[in-house]
Amino acid sequence: GEDVEQSLFLSVREGDSSVINCTYTDSSSTYLYWYKQEPGAGLQLLTYIFSNMDMKQDQRLTVLLNKKDKHLSLRIADTQTGDSAIYFCAESIQGGATNKLIFGTGTLLAVQP
Amino acid sequence: NAGVMQNPRHLVRRRGQEARLRCSPMKGHSHVYWYRQLPEEGLKFMVYLQKENIIDESGMPKERFSAEFPKEGPSILRIQQVVRGDSAAYFCASSQKPGVNEQFFGPGTRLTVL
Repeated sequence: GEDVEQSLFLSVREGDSSVINCTYTDSSSTYLYWYKQEPGAGLQLLTYIFSNMDMKQDQRLTVLLNKKDKHLSLRIADTQTGDSAIYFCAESIQGGATNKLIFGTGTLLAVQP
Repeated sequence: NAGVMQNPRHLVRRRGQEARLRCSPMKGHSHVYWYRQLPEEGLKFMVYLQKENIIDESGMPKERFSAEFPKEGPSILRIQQVVRGDSAAYFCASSQKPGVNEQFFGPGTRLTVL
C-alpha cells in the first residue's frame, strides 16, 4: 500500500537542530524526497536519497534512511527563522510508468527567535 | 531558464462554472504531473502526462475532471461544473525524464469555488 506519515508540528529555537521524521509503507520505493513549502508558495525540492543509501548530507541538511523500519528523517543543523515552513516527505515508486510522488501530510516547522 | 509556470495564480468560480488551469513546464521537460492540495492536507497525485499522451490518470476524479498536454502550448487541467469541494491548491510539476524523477513544482493555482 501507499501511505506516508509525518508528525504535524515541530517547534525549535533558532540555532538548535531540527529533526523531522517520516514513515512510509511501500518497500518498493526507490527514491525518497524532502520538499519545503513556504506560505502561499509551491514546493521546493530540498534533497532526495536513493533507497540503497543510508545517509546523505548536503550543507545544513542530513537525510537518514532506515529501510528496514521504513523510516526517513531530515535534520536541519543551526535552524534559522527562514527555515520556518511546511516540510513534506515523499516517495517515488519505480517500476510502473508513472513515477508519481506519494506525499506525507507535512510537518509545520516553527522556529522561535 | 524559467521555472514551471502556472496561471492563473488565483481563480474564483461560482458553483457550476468551469475552471481551466494552465501549466507550462520547464524548458526541455516533457513530463507533467498535476497534484491537488486540499486545505491542511498533503499533495495528492492526480494525473501524469507526456506530450499528447495521458500516461496515468489514476488520481483523477471519474467525472468533471480532464487534463491534456498538447504538442504545442501548456498543459491544461479542466474542471467542469465546479463544486465547493473542488476548492484547493492545484500544483503542476515537470521533469525531464522519469529516472531520478526530480520534479520541479510550479507556484500553484488556488481555486476558490463560491
